[in-house]
Amino acid sequence: EAQVTQNPRYLITVTGKKLTVTCSQNMNHEYMSWYRQDPGLGLRQIYYSMNVEVTDKGDVPEGYKVSRKEKRNFPLILESPSPNQTSLYFCASSSGPYNQPQHFGDGTRLSIL
Amino acid sequence: KQEVTQIPAALSVPEGENLVLNCSFTDSAIYNLQWFRQDPGKGLTSLLLIQSSQREQTSGRLNASLDKSSGRSTLYIAASQPGDSATYLCAVRLRNRKLIWGLGTSLAVNP
Repeated sequence: EAQVTQNPRYLITVTGKKLTVTCSQNMNHEYMSWYRQDPGLGLRQIYYSMNVEVTDKGDVPEGYKVSRKEKRNFPLILESPSPNQTSLYFCASSSGPYNQPQHFGDGTRLSIL
Repeated sequence: KQEVTQIPAALSVPEGENLVLNCSFTDSAIYNLQWFRQDPGKGLTSLLLIQSSQREQTSGRLNASLDKSSGRSTLYIAASQPGDSATYLCAVRLRNRKLIWGLGTSLAVNP
């Protein structure tokens, strides 16, 4: 089954404790991205990747890092999480960056205390 | 600055009704427009993608139209079912390839 898998689905942690949210897709997609979704602000792109070893900033990259060492994986790293990073996070992938439908993971709800 | 607005924010209809969800955008110079649905606790599912050169796209009971001159897209759902209950999001891709999201319309279809 074609899917985008995110882990963990839920996480409550404390300020400053480094965390990684993993994202893996099994569709051989080149394009992957991370979004955060907040009430009243909608979805905002954090980072995206056009291919292995090619990443770029989205609209709200501050406080986040990503890497793309393999085509299927695109982890999101919060080196020193802060409460304003409490949000619902989505990973997405597509076969092309602009004209192809994006496939989304089920989301990761992060709470930073 | 491109803005994407979806009105109403919430809608409740009885099962079987045909309904229209609206998406408006301020800049008509778009690349494409997509409609997604979001179910609670789940990610987004792409429903329809309309290129700027197209007027509409259809998939089953769904039909999405695009009128760039008026800055509007509509998502028509025929013979609504309780399983259609979800939040429907509109996203506009600009010519610079940036994607702008609306806040969504929360739809409840009551049996």
